[in-house]
Amino acid sequence: EDQVTQSPEALRLQEGESSSLNCSYTVSGLRGLFWYRQDPGKGPEFLFTLYSAGEEKEKERLKATLTKKESFLHITAPKPEDSATYLCAVQAIPTGGGNKLTFGTGTQLKVEL
Amino acid sequence: NAGVTQTPKFQVLKTGQSMTLQCAQDMNHNSMYWYRQDPGMGLRLIYYSASEGTTDKGEVPNGYNVSRLNKREFSLRLESAAPSQTSVYFCASSESPAWAFEQYFGPGTRLTVL
Repeated sequence: EDQVTQSPEALRLQEGESSSLNCSYTVSGLRGLFWYRQDPGKGPEFLFTLYSAGEEKEKERLKATLTKKESFLHITAPKPEDSATYLCAVQAIPTGGGNKLTFGTGTQLKVEL
Repeated sequence: NAGVTQTPKFQVLKTGQSMTLQCAQDMNHNSMYWYRQDPGMGLRLIYYSASEGTTDKGEVPNGYNVSRLNKREFSLRLESAAPSQTSVYFCASSESPAWAFEQYFGPGTRLTVL
């Protein structure tokens, strides 16, 4: 059974204080790992897809990396507007059709002035 | 482009009532999904439609039915609502089921069953 575990559950940072969020996963074979951002009362917003170990992707202050067992979302010099819940999800091989994702429970990030 | 839209945004039902949640996407995507999100549980797949004309059960299908009305629209029906179905429901779509294409989510429907 595919599993995704995210840590920490909650993280409080000062503006400019860099940190990392962790996503550990167990799948029979990884087709893709996804990062989403979710603001309160809204749907998840797609950030990144990573396909293979060693891959990295960046977007503004966010950088996602992937190993064979986990992914990290690095946040450099965060701002208050980066406050959100960050979700990790995996798609396994074979999928059986439908691009089914298994989600973690998320890390709730709060960035304070 | 509106992306993925859902109606209604909020709904309160009494136990035993029925209702249909509507979802539409304007991205010409082939695959559509229904999830529920509960505190501490993460997003869980209820049903999905890999392509127009097909539907399949996800992780938590009991108590729900779906209809893929056309390529754009995918509805979720609760025939006899139960308090355990109180949740936030999200619809999503993706380009294809054949590879790791990202899913795009709607704004959600907050459902309370009394």
